[in-house]
Order: sequence, then C-alpha cells, then structure tokens
Amino acid sequence: QQQVKQSPQSLIVQKGGISIINCAYENTAFDYFPWYQQFPGKGPALLIAIRPDVSEKKEGRFTISFNKSAKQFSLHIMDSQPGDSATYFCAAYKAAGNKLTFGGGTRVLVKP
Amino acid sequence: NAGVMQNPRHLVRRRGQEARLRCSPMKGHSHVYWYRQLPEEGLKFMVYLQKENIIDESGMPKERFSAEFPKEGPSILRIQQVVRGDSAAYFCASSPEGFPRYEQYFGPGTRLTVT
Repeated sequence: QQQVKQSPQSLIVQKGGISIINCAYENTAFDYFPWYQQFPGKGPALLIAIRPDVSEKKEGRFTISFNKSAKQFSLHIMDSQPGDSATYFCAAYKAAGNKLTFGGGTRVLVKP
Repeated sequence: NAGVMQNPRHLVRRRGQEARLRCSPMKGHSHVYWYRQLPEEGLKFMVYLQKENIIDESGMPKERFSAEFPKEGPSILRIQQVVRGDSAAYFCASSPEGFPRYEQYFGPGTRLTVT
C-alpha cells in the first residue's frame, strides 16, 4: 500500500519562479518528513527535513510547509534555478523500525 | 571520506542468471538499506541490515531475492534466476549510529538490465 502520495509527477517552471510539490500521508505514526533530491544517474541526497510538530522550515531557497491535521506537507523552491532541475522525493520516516517510505517523485525542470 | 560505493554500476544479465550487487557503506556506518527504483517510479524499500543481521526484509520478494551484510566486506543483494521484471535501478544507502536516521546516504545505484 502506498502510504505517501506525491504530486505532481512532473513540473516545468521558468527560472526565478516558484516550484511547489505536494505530498500526503496516511499513517500518523511518522516521526520526520524529509525531502530528497536526485539528479540523473545519481543516488538521492537529503535536502531538508521537518518534524511533525513544526509547521514550516526554511533552508535557503527551500521551504517545507507542514499541515498535521490535513496530513499533508509540501516543498517550495523559491527563485528556481536551472541547477534545481532534478527529481524530488518526499518521504516519511518512522523511528520505530527505522524505515523511510518514499513518495513517487516529481521531476522538476527549470527553464532558463 | 568516500561516499557509499556500489558496483557494478551497470549489470546486464540474461533471464535465469544470477545478479549479485555490492554495496560498501560509508566509513563508520553500520546500517545498510537496499531500495529498488523502477523507471519513472519512486524508491521502494527492500531490506534493512546491520552487520551480520537482517533487521527488516519486509520489502523483499519472498523468492529469488536475498541480502547479507557480513562482518567483513560489502553488503550483497543477490537475485537468483532473474526475470525481465527485475530490470531496475537498485540503490544502497547507509546511515551511522545515532539519531536521526532519516538521513540516509545513497550510493550511485546499480542499473540492472535483464535481457
């Protein structure tokens, strides 16, 4: 069963625009919600993560917004750059069992 | 500090052959995870291992797949009698002791093609 649903599957944004990726989860027992970034031919790399008792976390141009009651969270990439073109995965982490569950991924293309 | 290493990077096997994928975790990391990524899909958890122990193999197919992380040497994901549906990218990740473990360090992956 898919516990983390991610949308959209792909996204095209102009340089300088805002990229928004949304995720929804089903299980309320998750402890952290990280985002991973993957470039073609590479493995994913941790980008930013948020705890469920925090509503927003910002690191540079990347912001996670978290809505616990709706069981949704999103990644905003401000001032998107061509170098941000990658596939982004949201994930949910459960400390008991030490398991990461990934969303299906969003391919972001930033046009110059 | 070298990152997670996986080899081979590309592997071609005929149906019915065995595929053996290797993963060397980052130095000092004792937790290893294997994931499978099908084209245009996300990463699916397969197995979580610590040295000489399988902690969670709930994502592993019941047949033909096995994994180990011996006391010495790399972690091995073994697929016996491969079928076309096994074609995918297989990623290994590692994490150190301590909290939080949601930060997993991924290798570059092994792309398996079954012909």
